Amino acid sequence: GAGVSQTPSNKVTEKGKYVELRCDPISGHTALYWYRQSLGQGPEFLIYFQGTGAADDSGLPNDRFFAVRPEGSVSTLKIQRTERGDSAVYLCASSSGGRSETQYFGPGTRLLVL
Amino acid sequence: DQQVKQNSPSLSVQEGRISILNCDYTNSMFDYFLWYKKYPAEGPTFLISISSIKDKNEDGRFTVFLNKSAKHLSLHIVPSQPGDSAVYFCAARGGSEKLVFGKGTKLTVNP
Repeated sequence: GAGVSQTPSNKVTEKGKYVELRCDPISGHTALYWYRQSLGQGPEFLIYFQGTGAADDSGLPNDRFFAVRPEGSVSTLKIQRTERGDSAVYLCASSSGGRSETQYFGPGTRLLVL
Repeated sequence: DQQVKQNSPSLSVQEGRISILNCDYTNSMFDYFLWYKKYPAEGPTFLISISSIKDKNEDGRFTVFLNKSAKHLSLHIVPSQPGDSAVYFCAARGGSEKLVFGKGTKLTVNP
């Protein structure tokens, strides 16, 4: 079946602009995760959804970052007033829920803020 | 403060030999550990996992060993193949759903 998909695959924007990154999880997966990977680093947790609600948003770096999952499937990560330091690969993962369930990752969105 | 550490940024081995990738962690609350493999321009792909109640898990050419007292785990690949060349991430979970990743080790398997 189809894996996790993310759009766009690449996004170039200017400092101060607003961006939206989309994630389509594996069909039927109730849990959805956002991570951010900067150059030379491993992925860093941002936020986790169980169904429609954000169960853990402790990784969001500040209030410029916000994510939604209104119908419990597709999720959008929103970044306001982008800064050059926001440049990274934004990864989405999904799982069928439960702590021992494997998280399956999408290909990521490469965000470059000029 | 890095809770999951992969101290070797890179590793080079000959095809057919064993690859050993190491990972150390500091958080005693971690109870589940995973290895992911990542090719350029792709997302991480799940490889193998181990629960803290076990000390070994094997899947084909891949074996993960866990030493809880040393807070250390390792991934063994035998025999190594050129297609195994990728960046390998160690990840841990405990007390919550989020994964904590190391910085990765780039494995190169030479033909």
